[in-house]
Amino acid sequence: DIQMTQSPSSLSASVGDRVTITCQASQDISNKLNWYQQKPGKVPKLLIYDASNLERGVPSRFSGRGSGTDFTFTISSLQPEDIATYYCQQYGTFGPGTKVAIK
Amino acid sequence: EVQLVESGGGLVRPGGSLRLSCAASGFTFRNYWMSWVRQAPGKGLEWVANIKEDGSAKYYVDAVKGRFTISRDNARNSLHLQMNSLGADDTGLYFCARERPGGAVAADYWGQGTLVTVSS
Repeated sequence: DIQMTQSPSSLSASVGDRVTITCQASQDISNKLNWYQQKPGKVPKLLIYDASNLERGVPSRFSGRGSGTDFTFTISSLQPEDIATYYCQQYGTFGPGTKVAIK
Repeated sequence: EVQLVESGGGLVRPGGSLRLSCAASGFTFRNYWMSWVRQAPGKGLEWVANIKEDGSAKYYVDAVKGRFTISRDNARNSLHLQMNSLGADDTGLYFCARERPGGAVAADYWGQGTLVTVSS
């Protein structure tokens, strides 16, 4: 089974900061990597699919890149409404999540 | 508007069974893979199972293989999850999700979830 690791497990940043989360697969998964946002008490929301494609309606400050085993997710300018836990996913495996807070 | 509405959750004793359902509307249900994803209280997301558009292929996470069965009724636009031999580790919020075409199990629409509690 493919394992997904995500780092950091949590972070605190200021409004306007650039935030980057990494996700690593235990073996080559090509570009089959998705990113989700889950706000407290809410349903997960798909942000990025196939590593770098922005889901319709998602603000352009969110982006993803990578292929093979190493992937990154970036919020170019952190906003208060971005407080959430972010998960990477490869097929049937979710990463453990990264909790993003405002400093 | 795409809508997914889960039902069937509840309190069940260890070893018991439940059947979850998901009513889909606002899209051509028979054209999409569908998934069940669960989330234990205070924990992360765990994909449980998915099913191909016509029901001819089904996949499960190892933790539920042999105990859970995913099915669908394309005539009624409904998705189901039959859960047997339930244990405390199966407690959580169960989401029905539509998969985006193109593979990689990208879930673009989610229901609000139905809560399953396994306890004596």
